[in-house]
Amino acid sequence: AQTVTQSQPEMSVQEAETVTLSCTYDTSESDYYLFWYKQPPSRQMILVIRQEAYKQQNATENRFSVNFQKAAKSFSLKISDSQLGDAAMYFCAYRSYRGRGGSNYKLTFGKGTLLTVNP
Amino acid sequence: DTGVSQDPRHKITKRGQNVTFRCDPISEHNRLYWYRQTLGQGPEFLTYFQNEAQLEKSRLLSDRFSAERPKGSFSTLEIQRTEQGDSAMYLCASSDQGGPTDTQYFGPGTRLTVL
Repeated sequence: AQTVTQSQPEMSVQEAETVTLSCTYDTSESDYYLFWYKQPPSRQMILVIRQEAYKQQNATENRFSVNFQKAAKSFSLKISDSQLGDAAMYFCAYRSYRGRGGSNYKLTFGKGTLLTVNP
Repeated sequence: DTGVSQDPRHKITKRGQNVTFRCDPISEHNRLYWYRQTLGQGPEFLTYFQNEAQLEKSRLLSDRFSAERPKGSFSTLEIQRTEQGDSAMYLCASSDQGGPTDTQYFGPGTRLTVL
């Protein structure tokens, strides 16, 4: 079974600075997807960024980028120019590559990292 | 707004009562998922539907839990004889089988408190 580990329960960053959230995972599969989701307080979870394991290029979405190291099974999220609205719980998630049956569509989440942005 | 919706948003019940939650997925999405999230943890998978077929159930889904998606649109999750350990946020997500990565989009959740 796949596991996802987020070793930083809490992180803080000054507004306009850069912060990196860590995520490692364990899998025996070669094809899979990785995601970062953001869950603001009392609000619903939204997708921040996704990475396909077969792509060597790191995904980027505006101020959010990832450092995907497949051999090391590491998938960190970098937030540049942090804003107050970035404050939230961030979850790293793993999903098997589709096409091998229903059980491979579920997301496996880490425990999350609570990000605080200081003005 | 055409996102995933869930009803109710909050439910307080007494131990032993039955509760039912509803999820309305994004309209074109044929896949629907239920997750449970307890305080300080990431969501944990409960069950998954493709159209009206329930294709997988987690071991977390005890016999007291039942989920349906009768017409391949909305879904319900029922918990019978609730226990205090059932207190959690129940999240619904949907995805489009035809989408490039089958990304799951989440609803706001139903927070259940069992007294």
